[in-house]
Amino acid sequence: AQSVAQPEDQVNVAEGNPLTVKCTYSVSGNPYLFWYVQYPNRGLQFLLKYITGDNLVKGSYGFEAEFNKSQTSFHLKKPSALVSDSALYFCAVRALYNTDKLIFGTGTRLQVFP
Amino acid sequence: EAQVTQNPRYLITVTGKKLTVTCSQNMNHEYMSWYRQDPGLGLRQIYYSMNVEVTDKGDVPEGYKVSRKEKRNFPLILESPSPNQTSLYFCAIQGGLYEQYFGPGTRLTVT
Repeated sequence: AQSVAQPEDQVNVAEGNPLTVKCTYSVSGNPYLFWYVQYPNRGLQFLLKYITGDNLVKGSYGFEAEFNKSQTSFHLKKPSALVSDSALYFCAVRALYNTDKLIFGTGTRLQVFP
Repeated sequence: EAQVTQNPRYLITVTGKKLTVTCSQNMNHEYMSWYRQDPGLGLRQIYYSMNVEVTDKGDVPEGYKVSRKEKRNFPLILESPSPNQTSLYFCAIQGGLYEQYFGPGTRLTVT
């Protein structure tokens, strides 16, 4: 069965420091992977995706993610965190059947401290 | 830019009182879906629709109905809501290049 795991419920980082939000996946075949962000009282906003090509994917707001096939991971990264990055982050994989369904991880709350 | 609107944004109701959450899009996209978000569970798909009059169950369809009579609208219907349907609900559309765009969410409380 396809699944996505976000092993950390919360990640704390000081402003200006690099941040990483972890995601691992389990799919058969080539995965289509996504990161979304949810700010308080807002819907989900698309950050970036990996479909094929370069393993390092750049997205919105200075975020990037690295696809690692051998480790089945798709970690979200940012070189220098901002307080305004504090939000709930979801990793997702596109299902192979019902091909437009997204299978989400449980989410990781990122807290950036001044 | 793709826009998805949902109404109402907040709803408190009582067990058994039928309700409808509306979802509307402005981009003529074929694929629409409903998700619910619960703490510790992420988002789970309730129902989806590939086009007008074409709907199918997602992972957690029990207690919900949908309809797709026209391309732009995809309402979620709870015929007899129960407290375990208290959740945050999102409507989504499939844009180009596989991204999905989500509405602002509807927070439902069933007492």
